[in-house]
This record gives sequence, structure tokens and C-alpha cells, in this order.
Amino acid sequence: KNQVEQSPQSLIILEGKNCTLQCNYTVSPFSNLRWYKQDTGRGPVSLTIMTFSENTKSNGRYTATLDADTKQSSLHITASQLSDSASYICVVSRMDSSYKLIFGSGTRLLVRP
Amino acid sequence: KAGVTQTPRYLIKTRGQQVTLSCSPISGHRSVSWYQQTPGQGLQFLFEYFSETQRNKGNFPGRFSGRQFSNSRSEMNVSTLELGDSALYLCASRSDRTGELFFGEGSRLTVL
Repeated sequence: KNQVEQSPQSLIILEGKNCTLQCNYTVSPFSNLRWYKQDTGRGPVSLTIMTFSENTKSNGRYTATLDADTKQSSLHITASQLSDSASYICVVSRMDSSYKLIFGSGTRLLVRP
Repeated sequence: KAGVTQTPRYLIKTRGQQVTLSCSPISGHRSVSWYQQTPGQGLQFLFEYFSETQRNKGNFPGRFSGRQFSNSRSEMNVSTLELGDSALYLCASRSDRTGELFFGEGSRLTVL
């Protein structure tokens, strides 16, 4: 069954600290994996995209990793800021004609001063 | 390049009424998908349209319907509204070239 599971469900950290969010998937055949950031009450915005052959990709203080063998991805946030408080959603695409996207339920991050 | 535009941004309806939400995708994008997000919940996929045809459908009752026009603009309709339909409804257009989703700001529906 095609599934995407994210952990933790929620996380609270102090400003300036680092954190890592996890995404495990069982989607097959795998095409790519994206991380989105969603501020409260707003639409999600793409942070990174990882294809099968990529291990690491950075976007400013955000670094995503992908292990296609274990079907795991992580999103590492460095030197967190208050504006990082949001939900982070992992989305996996299937490599077939269905064009289906499988969404994780997200991790809610709260950065406190 | 203009982003995805959803209208209205906020609306209040009563039980039993029906509602129509509109989405204008990014120019050149032929795929439009709709999602429901209730407080504290993840995105629940409603349906996706591509070139005026429904390409994928989520597990929602028949009260939820949609359509896409020749200019790629899309509408979704919810009939016989229930209290549980209160949610943020997000629309996304998808790049034909990269497959990336671009979301609108959403339409927040409150059913009283």
C-alpha cells in the first residue's frame, strides 16, 4: 500500500536550535519526494525536491536528505527562527501514469523565543 | 508570473446550503487539484483535473464535485453542506514540466 508517514507529529524547539523531521514512505514505483512548508491558514510552499539519485539538497537553512534504499527522508532545519513555526509536509510522487501524489500528515513545528 | 488564485478567501454558509469555490491556476498549467484541510489535520485529496477531465479522485462523498473549463480554471461544488465540511479548501496547479505543485491561499469555509 502506498503510504507516507511523518514523525514526529508535533515538535517544540527553542529559537536558534536545530531540528530534524522524518518522512518514511512505501510508495512504489518512486519518482520523487518533496517537502512543503505550510504557515497556519496559508497554502503550502515547496522547499525542496529529491529524486531517486539525489542524497542531499539544501535550501538556505533547510537541508533534505533521501535514502532510497531504506525509503526514508529527513528535513533538517539549522539555527531555527520564529518564522520556521509551521507545518512541514512530505509528498511522494509515483512514477507511473496515475500521476498520483501521496501526502504525509505533516509535522507541526513550533519555535519558541 | 501570477500564482494560483482562489476565490472567495472566506465564506460562511449554513447547513443544507451549497457552495462553489473557484480556482485559477498558473498560466500554462493544465492540472488543477483540490484538497480539504480541517483544523489540525493533513491535506485530504479531493480530486484532480487535467485538460477538463477528472484524472484522479479521492474518497469523498458525491456531495463534493468539481469541473475544469477550457481555460484550465476549475470550480468545486459542495452540496447539502454539513457542519463537518468546515475547512480550508486548497487548490493547486501542477507544472506539466516538473510536476511541482503550486498552492493557492485557500478558501476558508465555515458551516453554521
